[in-house]
Amino acid sequence: NAGVTQTPKFQVLKTGQSMTLQCAQDMNHNSMYWYRQDPGMGLRLIYYSASEGTTDKGEVPNGYNVSRLNKREFSLRLESAAPSQTSVYFCASSPRGTGDWDYYGYTFGSGTRLTVV
Amino acid sequence: QKEVEQDPGPLSVPEGAIVSLNCTYSNSAFQYFMWYRQYSRKGPELLMYTYSSGNKEDGRFTAQVDKSSKYISLFIRDSQPSDSATYLCAMSVPAGTALIFGKGTTLSVSS
Repeated sequence: NAGVTQTPKFQVLKTGQSMTLQCAQDMNHNSMYWYRQDPGMGLRLIYYSASEGTTDKGEVPNGYNVSRLNKREFSLRLESAAPSQTSVYFCASSPRGTGDWDYYGYTFGSGTRLTVV
Repeated sequence: QKEVEQDPGPLSVPEGAIVSLNCTYSNSAFQYFMWYRQYSRKGPELLMYTYSSGNKEDGRFTAQVDKSSKYISLFIRDSQPSDSATYLCAMSVPAGTALIFGKGTTLSVSS
């Protein structure tokens, strides 16, 4: 019962480098999300995927791209990292879309702490 | 005005105290209301879920929603040091895109 698994847990990048954050869930959830969490800013939605094959922008998508590789996996890519992207990144999944509208909770991963220098 | 407002604290209480955590919101269409607990260096975990108005109780935790005032609360009775964490409120409209989170309130319970 792993839930939502994020890799890596920690990463330091130099400005301009690229990297991909990986996320996988084993709960057969339809929807997946990427959030970033910054001090004083709370959780902000970067991108989400309501179902396999679809992705949409959230509140702060600039500088990021995503891929919903299959139902289990949703990756976040930084093409050219900037210091402003230093943050803790959380992936989450939800059963939303299965017809069970009564329960809407997210399951979060443990996060990736990214520092861009 | 942000859609969801939450006082970041920090809030410090002695063990055994009753804790009240609150959020206000501006979107009257919100119907799903949740509270998440986040321990230091961990991901948030769902604590309480309420649909529309009313109260919900689970052990030492009670969630209240007052839609007329656009105000939600989480009460923790007999608080324990293990309750020390950041508490985030979250809410959404029916068939909404995603949950909207408050910034979180940091709670410290001292023994």
